[in-house]
Amino acid sequence: GAVVSQHPSRVICKSGTSVKIECRSLDFQATTMFWYRQFPKQSLMLMATSNEGSKATYEQGVEKDKFLINHASLTLSTLTVTSAHPEDSSFYICSARSGGSAKNIQYFGAGTRLSVL
Amino acid sequence: EDQVTQSPEALRLQEGESSSLNCSYTVSGLRGLFWYRQDPGKGPEFLFTLYSAGEEKEKERLKATLTKKESFLHITAPKPEDSATYLCAVTGANSKLTFGKGITLSVRP
Repeated sequence: GAVVSQHPSRVICKSGTSVKIECRSLDFQATTMFWYRQFPKQSLMLMATSNEGSKATYEQGVEKDKFLINHASLTLSTLTVTSAHPEDSSFYICSARSGGSAKNIQYFGAGTRLSVL
Repeated sequence: EDQVTQSPEALRLQEGESSSLNCSYTVSGLRGLFWYRQDPGKGPEFLFTLYSAGEEKEKERLKATLTKKESFLHITAPKPEDSATYLCAVTGANSKLTFGKGITLSVRP
């Protein structure tokens, strides 16, 4: 299967700082990338969808000014959590999909565990 | 709104004891049903995708089947390394993946 690299795997930061998470598709071009959040023993919740070269589409209830998404190339998307607070602590996971069809498979990164002190 | 329900929530099996995991779904215009495996602290790993009722896919000890209302993941003679959370997800007309809560499988040696 296709490989998606997510970086860093774990980050601990102080309240008020910003954190950037990178997501790269290593062996295919991802026209669409997705960012999810997962709480313990819960399902993955979609935060936003990003297409290369255009603005991200955020799900209802997700603050776009807090969670900045940039999809600068066909292999790289970044999520920046701005002015992080303890309630932002969570497991963030990205995925990448090649092609524009919803039938195409989403391949996931290994996730980033964010802890805000 | 698309919905996915997985049962049971947790399943404990003895090594070699075959079983099935259930995924019930409602979706507007099914475009695909996906099974993923997730290990603790990791992202989901793709297993199968099914597109139409009657379709079946197989990989090692796993076999996925699909009807118009549900999908089953059959595990034949499981081994301890099959222990993980198995996630079911659907994509419908909105092109988004909707996940179930997952089934945590524990296989005892």
